[in-house]
Amino acid sequence: SQQGEEDPQALSIQEGENATMNCSYKTSINNLQWYRQNSGRGLVHLILIRSNEREKHSGRLRVTLDTSKKSSSLLITASRAADTASYFCATVVFQGAQKLVFGQGTRLTINP
Amino acid sequence: KAGVTQTPRYLIKTRGQQVTLSCSPISGHRSVSWYQQTPGQGLQFLFEYFSETQRNKGNFPGRFSGRQFSNSRSEMNVSTLELGDSALYLCASSLRGANTEAFFGQGTRLTVV
Repeated sequence: SQQGEEDPQALSIQEGENATMNCSYKTSINNLQWYRQNSGRGLVHLILIRSNEREKHSGRLRVTLDTSKKSSSLLITASRAADTASYFCATVVFQGAQKLVFGQGTRLTINP
Repeated sequence: KAGVTQTPRYLIKTRGQQVTLSCSPISGHRSVSWYQQTPGQGLQFLFEYFSETQRNKGNFPGRFSGRQFSNSRSEMNVSTLELGDSALYLCASSLRGANTEAFFGQGTRLTVV
C-alpha cells in the first residue's frame, strides 16, 4: 500500500503562475522528501524536510509539513516551462527495515 | 562527482528469458535501492542493499533478485520474464539508506515481448 498520496494527480497551469501540490501520509515520519521526474527519466531530489521542521525553502520551492495532519505541500512559485514534470513525495516506512516509499505523483504541466 | 550509472538504458527481451541490470552508485555511497516503475503501479520498492547485504525487500516474487559487490556496484536479475515485467527499473544510491537523500540513475527501460 502507498504511504504517500499526492493531490491532485494532474495539474495544468500557465507559465508564471504558482503551482501547489499536496501529499498525505499514514504513519509517523522522521522526514519527508520531494522528488521531480522528467518524462521517462530518473528522479531528482528536490528537498528534504524533517519532522521537527514546519517549512523549508529552496529557490522557487517552498515545502511545508504538518505532522498533526500528516500532510505536506510543495509550492513552486513563478513556474516555468522547464518545471513540467511529475512530482513525488516520499516517506520512510519501517517494515523490518527502513525503506523509502513513494506516492503516485502529481503530473504538472506548465503551458507557455 | 559522477552520478548513478545504470546499464543498459534500453532492453528488449522475450518472455521466459532472464535479464541482468547493472547499477554503479555514487562513489562513497554504500546503499543501493532498486525500484520498478509502471504506469499502473507507480514506483514500487524492490530491494535495498547496504555493504553487500540485502537490508530490505519489497513484495515481489522470487524471480526478482539482486546482489551488491564490495565496490558497492549492484546488479538485479529477473528470471523467467513475463510481459508484466515491462517497466522502467530505477536504481538509487544514498550514503546511509532511506532517511538520507537518494540519487537516482536514468533507469533501464525493459520491454518484454
